[in-house]
Amino acid sequence: SQKIEQNSEALNIQEGKTATLTCNYTNYSPAYLQWYRQDPGRGPVFLLLIRENEKEKRKERLKVTFDTTLKQSLFHITASQPADSATYLCALSLRNSGNTPLVFGKGTRLSVIA
Amino acid sequence: DAGITQSPRHKVTETGTPVTLRCHQTENHRYMYWYRQDPGHGLRLIHYSYGVKDTDKGEVSDGYSVSRSKTEDFLLTLESATSSQTSVYFCAISERIGSGANVLTFGAGSRLTVL
Repeated sequence: SQKIEQNSEALNIQEGKTATLTCNYTNYSPAYLQWYRQDPGRGPVFLLLIRENEKEKRKERLKVTFDTTLKQSLFHITASQPADSATYLCALSLRNSGNTPLVFGKGTRLSVIA
Repeated sequence: DAGITQSPRHKVTETGTPVTLRCHQTENHRYMYWYRQDPGHGLRLIHYSYGVKDTDKGEVSDGYSVSRSKTEDFLLTLESATSSQTSVYFCAISERIGSGANVLTFGAGSRLTVL
């Protein structure tokens, strides 16, 4: 069966450290993978996208890697801050047709402790 | 800002009553989506639309219907609400970004409680 899994439901990390979140999938061939941030009581907000032929993408303190052999994406937040505390969702786009509905993981709730 | 408005934001209803949630967008986006979000399940697609009167089912469409009579409005209807439909419902639109890929912009959500 098709599955998309985020490594843990919750992750606690000390301020200033690098947070690493994992997204694994099985029986999918995604065209690209996206990461979203969700704060309590709000809708998810798009952060980064990486294509199947890209290894790494960066945006400020964020870095995403994509390994289609391992079927895994890693999401890193360097120099983490309490304001980074949120739930982070990964999502797959299953075909190259652009507007194919995304499939989401259940999310990882990150808490950055001062 | 994609200008997505969901209404109502909160609703409490009783089992067996009909409920309609509305999603309104102001920027003429073609693709619109309804997801529900539940603890332990994450975001799951209910229905989506790829144009006026063009809709398709998602992963958890049973018990839900949708309509899109105008580009700007996408309605989600629960014909006879059940307690299992207690959830937070998110509407989203698809936007093309600079790389040519499409990403979702979500509304603020509608929290529905079915007693």
